[in-house]
Amino acid sequence: AQSVAQPEDQVNVAEGNPLTVKCTYSVSGNPYLFWYVQYPNRGLQFLLKYITGDNLVKGSYGFEAEFNKSQTSFHLKKPSALVSDSALYFCAVRDPGRGYSTLTFGKGTMLLVSP
Amino acid sequence: DAGVIQSPRHEVTEMGQEVTLRCKLISGHNSLFWYRQTMMRGLELLIYFNNNVPIDDSGMPEDRFSAKMPNASFSTLKIQPSEPRDSAVYFCASSFAGTQNNNQPQHFGDGTRLSIL
Repeated sequence: AQSVAQPEDQVNVAEGNPLTVKCTYSVSGNPYLFWYVQYPNRGLQFLLKYITGDNLVKGSYGFEAEFNKSQTSFHLKKPSALVSDSALYFCAVRDPGRGYSTLTFGKGTMLLVSP
Repeated sequence: DAGVIQSPRHEVTEMGQEVTLRCKLISGHNSLFWYRQTMMRGLELLIYFNNNVPIDDSGMPEDRFSAKMPNASFSTLKIQPSEPRDSAVYFCASSFAGTQNNNQPQHFGDGTRLSIL
């Protein structure tokens, strides 16, 4: 079975500082990994994905994520946080070997960026 | 391009009433997902369709819930009769899944906030 863990319920960072939101996963094969962001009263918005190739993936709004197979991690990063980055962030995994398109989501991490 | 469109955005009704939530997929997408989000349980997958066919409905809470895809671009989620514990935000999402391509992201609508009194 595939699973995702986001160990932090909340991450606090000051504007201008780098941010990291952690994600670890468990799948039987090579994973497809995704990050989504949810703003209040909105649906989840796709940020970036890892399928294969370069371990550093760049996405929307200056975010990037690093795939680490040995640590089974896919942490979301941004060099300089903005107050407007404050939102709920979800990591998700898909096992391509299953043949289905369903994603398994983590429980989410609330990112709070202070001015 | 129009994204996934859900209606209504808000629904308040009394317990026992029938509730119908609607979703329009992004043009060209062939996979449809219904999710429910609550503070207590987070984001839960209710049901997944591919090419209008239900593939996995193991997340549907009970027989009071039903979902259909009458055509390739539209889906409904119905709750009958509704109960207060059904109060949540319901999202639908769509994506394209081909036989050789299963790595496309899901695109979410902005949800229906359902309150059952």
